[in-house]
Amino acid sequence: KAGVTQTPRYLIKTRGQQVTLSCSPISGHRSVSWYQQTPGQGLQFLFEYFSETQRNKGNFPGRFSGRQFSNSRSEMNVSTLELGDSALYLCASSLYVNTDTQYFGPGTRLTVL
Amino acid sequence: DAKTTQPTSMDCAEGRAANLPCNHSTISGNEYVYWYRQIHSQGPQYIIHGLKNNETNEMASLIITEDRKSSTLILPHATLRDTAVYYCIVRVDTGNQFYFGTGTSLTVIP
Repeated sequence: KAGVTQTPRYLIKTRGQQVTLSCSPISGHRSVSWYQQTPGQGLQFLFEYFSETQRNKGNFPGRFSGRQFSNSRSEMNVSTLELGDSALYLCASSLYVNTDTQYFGPGTRLTVL
Repeated sequence: DAKTTQPTSMDCAEGRAANLPCNHSTISGNEYVYWYRQIHSQGPQYIIHGLKNNETNEMASLIITEDRKSSTLILPHATLRDTAVYYCIVRVDTGNQFYFGTGTSLTVIP
């Protein structure tokens, strides 16, 4: 079974732009979570989607948003990019919620100039 | 917020067992302990998880104390490829969000 895939793998943007990252979960998985990883803050939870509904959200500003489609694929969007948004963005999928193991993708490395 | 405490770094000789400790003194009765590792900014890789009993799989063993306030991940025969940051996570029981701490940077020495 193919793992979690994320596109693009690398991205360079400038301040003020917006960006959309994509995540395809493992086949059959219905829950997708997003994380941000920076050297200063480590791995931080952004949000979680299950059956196209956002279930949980971390402590990030409204510039960070996401959605999930009926095929469980998910996108996250960051508007009005800031230098501090430079990070590795990780997506994780699991079958369901609450009691299931999450499997992570390789991440998207976003650099904001 | 991270609910676990781990040593910042550890070394282990190649071929020896690596024992990585984790304290989770505020864990609730229905919260699981998960272990992941991350190799050089790749996505975290699932290793093992448990609730009360000790667990073993092809990668590692997880020993959880009877009071569940701490656990130890054991890599039985460490190899150079096991050099990574190891995260001990207590899973919040109301959703899929993991709160990662700073982890333990394990270096396996030839």
